[in-house]
Amino acid sequence: AAGVIQSPRHLIKEKRETATLKCYPIPRHDTVYWYQQGPGQDPQFLISFYEKMQSDKGSIPDRFSAQQFSDYHSELNMSSLELGDSALYFCASTLRDIARETQYFGPGTRLLVL
Amino acid sequence: AQTVTQSQPEMSVQEAETVTLSCTYDTSESDYYLFWYKQPPSRQMILVIRQEAYKQQNATENRFSVNFQKAAKSFSLKISDSQLGDAAMYFCAYTLSGTYKYIFGTGTRLKVLA
Repeated sequence: AAGVIQSPRHLIKEKRETATLKCYPIPRHDTVYWYQQGPGQDPQFLISFYEKMQSDKGSIPDRFSAQQFSDYHSELNMSSLELGDSALYFCASTLRDIARETQYFGPGTRLLVL
Repeated sequence: AQTVTQSQPEMSVQEAETVTLSCTYDTSESDYYLFWYKQPPSRQMILVIRQEAYKQQNATENRFSVNFQKAAKSFSLKISDSQLGDAAMYFCAYTLSGTYKYIFGTGTRLKVLA
């Protein structure tokens, strides 16, 4: 079965640079979530999209923005990167109203800011 | 605000034995879902089991079962016949129906001893 795809899997950036993370949800899934997991931490919800509209917002810094495109893939744009942004970024997807709130996670993008 | 607490940072179990991981949560809502996710060293988030709050029957998936005590707001995971491949970080997660974002506990690292 197809899973959530995230690219790139690993990313190294310098401080103050920008990064773009991509997420391709499971086919037919209409909702995408982004989570940030710092070293030794639990995942923290950043933002979600349903049918290309932002549906909820968590602890996402103003330096970050995201969107969902017509093909349902999503991109997380991160600007003015800081050392503290080094983390594993998960994307998850679901088919709202069908999947009983179950989110399926991608493998994550490991971002290292130097 | 809803919170999820996992009071056991680390647990160990002998291979083939049974272990129980604890999770408590705080909510004033009645319609919600609870999950256990497994995160092995690859850091992929893998769904282990799901429980709907409106269901009194405890969920079971092969060697994994839960003890859901709604009044006590407790949601423990029992792993029977533990296998080396069960070694991972286990996260308990809560989502309020209709909010579509997860709140995670801090995780329990499970070690399986041969």
